[in-house]
Amino acid sequence: KAGVTQTPRYLIKTRGQQVTLSCSPISGHRSVSWYQQTPGQGLQFLFEYFSETQRNKGNFPGRFSGRQFSNSRSEMNVSTLELGDSALYLCASSLGGGGPGANVLTFGAGSRLTVL
Amino acid sequence: DQQVKQNSPSLSVQEGRISILNCDYTNSMFDYFLWYKKYPAEGPTFLISISSIKDKNEDGRFTVFLNKSAKHLSLHIVPSQPGDSAVYFCAASTISSGSARQLTFGSGTQLTVLP
Repeated sequence: KAGVTQTPRYLIKTRGQQVTLSCSPISGHRSVSWYQQTPGQGLQFLFEYFSETQRNKGNFPGRFSGRQFSNSRSEMNVSTLELGDSALYLCASSLGGGGPGANVLTFGAGSRLTVL
Repeated sequence: DQQVKQNSPSLSVQEGRISILNCDYTNSMFDYFLWYKKYPAEGPTFLISISSIKDKNEDGRFTVFLNKSAKHLSLHIVPSQPGDSAVYFCAASTISSGSARQLTFGSGTQLTVLP
């Protein structure tokens, strides 16, 4: 079956602009999580959506937002971009229940954002 | 406040020898632990996991050990192969809100297996 698809794979923006990233989860997966990866910081949790509702949110400013559609596809948006927002943004999907299987996230290849 | 720490940013091991990657955590509410592996230009992939009710889980060349009293887990790879060269992320999980589980990742360790 198809994996997690993220678009675009690479993009360059300038400070002050906004960006929207897209994620298509594995068919049947209802949970979509977003992570930011920067060198030395590992994967920082942004938010998680399940059945179109945000269930969890990490410690990121309000400039970072997301949403999930009825087909489980998700988008995240970053407004008023700053240089420090340059990172790899990873989307992951899972079944989303409360059991241990919910921990097994399947990640996409990521969207590499560069802010100039 | 890093709840999951991987204090070694990098590790080099000779092919055929054992690789030991370490991870420490601070939150006693974590009840499930995982290791993910990441190659360049790819997303992380799930490798192995362990529940807090166990102290060891083995899958082929990979074994994860959990020491709850020390809040420490480790990943052993025996024997190490050049294809194992990647960044390894430790992750810990707890119930966050309602039935939602949230994974907290460490900063990763770059493993290089030398031929």
